[in-house]
Amino acid sequence: SAVISQKPSRDICQRGTSLTIQCQVDSQVTMMFWYRQQPGQSLTLIATANQGSEATYESGFVIDKFPISRPNLTFSTLTVSNMSPEDSSIYLCSVAIGGPYEQYFGPGTRLTVT
Amino acid sequence: AQSVTQLDSQVPVFEEAPVELRCNYSSSVSVYLFWYVQYPNQGLQLLLKYLSGSTLVKGINGFEAEFNKSQTSFHLRKPSVHISDTAEYFCAVTNRDDKIIFGKGTRLHILP
Repeated sequence: SAVISQKPSRDICQRGTSLTIQCQVDSQVTMMFWYRQQPGQSLTLIATANQGSEATYESGFVIDKFPISRPNLTFSTLTVSNMSPEDSSIYLCSVAIGGPYEQYFGPGTRLTVT
Repeated sequence: AQSVTQLDSQVPVFEEAPVELRCNYSSSVSVYLFWYVQYPNQGLQLLLKYLSGSTLVKGINGFEAEFNKSQTSFHLRKPSVHISDTAEYFCAVTNRDDKIIFGKGTRLHILP
């Protein structure tokens, strides 16, 4: 398993601003993922964060809105840009250990946009 | 395309009673199946997984699940629940293309 931390744990932001969420893992991992969990909904994969190359985005998510960095094998950031109230969600990062199908999740960042 | 259906959004159950949380999936190919638990204000934790082999899978905290290919189900069970089991439970499936599809979750309420 892995110990995964996220910062901030929660934030309240004004519309039109941006927030960068950090994800730190206590060991080197190849695969890191970012998910969104909207209120009362399940998890939706935003993108796969690749070390040394651009992130791979899922349908409905674009780099201009959710830029991702992955400078090394233990760290990644997700930025939520030009926020609107519809961006209010929990954002979770996860890592795959022991194969791409076993994912371990961080505690999440609870974002409220007013 | 894959999909996961968790038929119950909420399940109330008395403490020390058994519980079953239902999960059905659709996929045209072989799948891997998972159950995750999310305690209040925490991230997701892997409860158990089915990759291959025995269809009865045992996980942490006394939970188990049974893979039923003919019924495309992967129901989660526990013979006796505790108040500490109060959480949201997510069923998930992947057909090995690196993407995991999650169900909408089932909130388990333990009644005293």
